[in-house]
Amino acid sequence: QITLKESGPTLMKPTQTLTLTCTFSGFSFSTSEVGVGWVRQPPGKALEWLALIYWDDDKRYNPSLKDRLTITKDTSKNQVVLTMTNMDPVDTATYYCAHNAEAGRDYFDYWGQGTLVTVSS
Amino acid sequence: SYVLTQPPSVSVAPGQTARIACGGNNIGSKSVHWYQQKPGQAPVVVVYDDSDRPSGIPERFFGSNSGNTATLTVSRVEAGDEADYYCQVWDSTSDHYVFGTGTKVIVL
Repeated sequence: QITLKESGPTLMKPTQTLTLTCTFSGFSFSTSEVGVGWVRQPPGKALEWLALIYWDDDKRYNPSLKDRLTITKDTSKNQVVLTMTNMDPVDTATYYCAHNAEAGRDYFDYWGQGTLVTVSS
Repeated sequence: SYVLTQPPSVSVAPGQTARIACGGNNIGSKSVHWYQQKPGQAPVVVVYDDSDRPSGIPERFFGSNSGNTATLTVSRVEAGDEADYYCQVWDSTSDHYVFGTGTKVIVL
């Protein structure tokens, strides 16, 4: 079955760069139409889509955060990495990685448990 | 950019029907997906492609989409349906996912 798990720092200082890793199993980027994305959720607030990477290395970013985000994949390790520069307290959130439904669909059918990242000086 | 608007909350008595609206410009031309999120948990898709249900999701969850409003209908509401619900689309104009503002379903 498909599983995903996020890992990375839990506490950051303003201006630092966040690096989150999503390690998954049950699927592979060697298969066409596979995609993995990132979504975040500030405490008590709504979901916000961040980025998505496909099996062919095609990438999509949230336009409002595009300048700060980079998404990459390591097919051999079954991992996706998200970096976000210049972190600010407003970036405090639970960050989720999720599997994009296949066959050209545009929603997430499997999610990781999420990891809370707190930004504070 | 494309915006999806949902009511902050919907209250419903057990056994009754909850209807959650998701408003967006010509949303009827897009595929709408719905997620349920319980406290402390990751979201779970309950309806995809407007009205399809993943395996394991009860038939009580029904989606529809037309014009400028998509709707998630939950019939015969149970206490376990109390959660936040989010709609989501792919905005082809700007090539990115968009989530709605979220609706808290309160079971009275």
